[in-house]
Amino acid sequence: DVKVTQSSRYLVKRTGEKVFLECVQDMDHENMFWYRQDPGLGLRLIYFSYDVKMKEKGDIPEGYSVSREKKERFSLILESASTNQTSMYLCHTGSNTEAFFGQGTRLTVV
Amino acid sequence: GENVEQHPSTLSVQEGDSAVIKCTYSDSASNYFPWYKQELGKRPQLIIDIRSNVGEKKDQRIAVTLNKTAKHFSLHITETQPEDSAVYFCAASKGNTGTASKLTFGTGTRLQVTL
Repeated sequence: DVKVTQSSRYLVKRTGEKVFLECVQDMDHENMFWYRQDPGLGLRLIYFSYDVKMKEKGDIPEGYSVSREKKERFSLILESASTNQTSMYLCHTGSNTEAFFGQGTRLTVV
Repeated sequence: GENVEQHPSTLSVQEGDSAVIKCTYSDSASNYFPWYKQELGKRPQLIIDIRSNVGEKKDQRIAVTLNKTAKHFSLHITETQPEDSAVYFCAASKGNTGTASKLTFGTGTRLQVTL
């Protein structure tokens, strides 16, 4: 059973803080993705990575960066958190026949 | 880039009836179309998918159809049950078969199955 684990289920951070969201997968998949989910907007791609130390911008990368130092770990970084980054963040990985999401991190920026 | 539109945004059906959710996509190069189900408070889970070389795929009570010419695909749920109540997302991508590709999602359909 593939495990995609996000480090926190709920986070509350202050405006201006640097925030790290971690995602770890145990199935040796190359591709990993970060999405944010907002009501009425569906899931939108922030950043993705096809390999270690490789990253590509998704559709809404502004205000975010990522780090992929090891194959199993993909981190999403909010350089200076803002209230409009309050959202559900979902990590995604797998193959096209068995794709999995992490359990999600609900981030609130106050 | 790819744009996926999904309709309706909410759908209420009586138990036992069928439900249909429709999506359109813009990029003719898209070749993989998964559907995800998200129950309240849980992560999205892949329930069925279809590739561009197939027109229809079934798995028990759920089926997906694809019309490449019109660039639309649909999810059909027959004999709906209360446990089918959830938010359903369609998505499109241009991936190969080996690894997960970046997905463009629709905005979701909240399905409510009433007794």
